[in-house]
Amino acid sequence: QKEVEQNSGPLSVPEGAIASLNCTYSDRGSQSFFWYRQYSGKSPELIMFIYSNGDKEDGRFTAQLNKASQYVSLLIRDSQPSDSATYLCAVKAGKLIFGQGTTLQVKP
Amino acid sequence: EPEVTQTPSHQVTQMGQEVILRCVPISNHLYFYWYRQILGQKVEFLVSFYNNEISEKSEIFDDQFSVERPDGSNFTLKIRSTKLEDSAMYFCASSTGTGNYEQYFGPGTRLTVT
Repeated sequence: QKEVEQNSGPLSVPEGAIASLNCTYSDRGSQSFFWYRQYSGKSPELIMFIYSNGDKEDGRFTAQLNKASQYVSLLIRDSQPSDSATYLCAVKAGKLIFGQGTTLQVKP
Repeated sequence: EPEVTQTPSHQVTQMGQEVILRCVPISNHLYFYWYRQILGQKVEFLVSFYNNEISEKSEIFDDQFSVERPDGSNFTLKIRSTKLEDSAMYFCASSTGTGNYEQYFGPGTRLTVT
């Protein structure tokens, strides 16, 4: 059974701080990793994807992948209250396998 | 910007009734998916569809479920005889390819079975 694990949180950070979200996965052969943001009652919105070991930056977001340790992380710099949402880690195995999601609260 | 659309946004049905959930994937996408999310739980894969046939399905996707691409734009999920436990958000997604390709999700249909 392929699993994706996330700490459900909530993770609370002050406005302007860096939020760090982590995810581990069980299938060592996984190649593609995605971060989705989901506001309450809404659908998952793709914010980042990463395929290679190392860091990938897009604006305030940085995805980090370490295949040897089987973890993926998402850093959000200069966190804003509008970033408050649940962040879903997903691993591609044809289909997407999602983690439970981490709820992020950014406090003004 | 192209997006996946889904109708209806909310469907209420009685147990045992048939429902059809509709999706219009992004126009140049070739791979289509249905996922569901029971309130407070993970997003779960149901089925993937390519070239007019199912390419993969989960254990959830039993004989009560079917998918169809009735024309060049729509992609539907049918639940033949709904159960209370089918109550969930159902998301359609599409992508240009498999492998290292992103999947984009529609806004979802909230299905409530009473």
